Amino acid sequence: GAVVSQHPSRVICKSGTSVKIECRSLDFQATTMFWYRQFPKQSLMLMATSNEGSKATYEQGVEKDKFLINHASLTLSTLTVTSAHPEDSSFYICSASERGDTQYFGPGTRLTVL
Amino acid sequence: GENVEQHPSTLSVQEGDSAVIKCTYSDSASNYFPWYKQELGKRPQLIIDIRSNVGEKKDQRIAVTLNKTAKHFSLHITETQPEDSAVYFCAAIREAAGNKLTFGGGTRVLVKP
Repeated sequence: GAVVSQHPSRVICKSGTSVKIECRSLDFQATTMFWYRQFPKQSLMLMATSNEGSKATYEQGVEKDKFLINHASLTLSTLTVTSAHPEDSSFYICSASERGDTQYFGPGTRLTVL
Repeated sequence: GENVEQHPSTLSVQEGDSAVIKCTYSDSASNYFPWYKQELGKRPQLIIDIRSNVGEKKDQRIAVTLNKTAKHFSLHITETQPEDSAVYFCAAIREAAGNKLTFGGGTRVLVKP
């Protein structure tokens, strides 16, 4: 089946630093990748949609300069949280879609900003 | 945009009983409805999905029904087991609109042995 990996699984950083999270589709080519944020006991909130070779589309309220997304190939998308602050602490999950309907999720990255 | 409401937010059932989770959506053009199961600290796992041209779909102990007219869909789990305990999310997609998933708020299911 479709496998999506995410790295790192957990990261702790100091306030003001930047953190990069990688999302890879391991056995299929993902035409679209999505980035979500999930706070404790809440639902997944879509942050942005990423298509290979083009600029990401951000949801309303998500700062594109703070959450940099790069989709360099059909199997890799990266999310960089720039100048992270404690309120950015969350569970970040990516998903990938091959044909545009079913999304397969990565295992998530738990970011803690001190 | 799409809005998905999910009820109940928590559900406690006795092992062996059935569990039903209901969702409503606002965009009549939505045409794909997946259900995900998420265990604590883990990724959402697709457990079943249904398209708008189908009214019901079943996979072993799990079934999903869709009422397009009323714009609601439901997840049914029969013969529940302790390992069914998790958070379940419904979602809706309008495939012509970038295939963005809109999630319901989630239902925390606890199956008591």
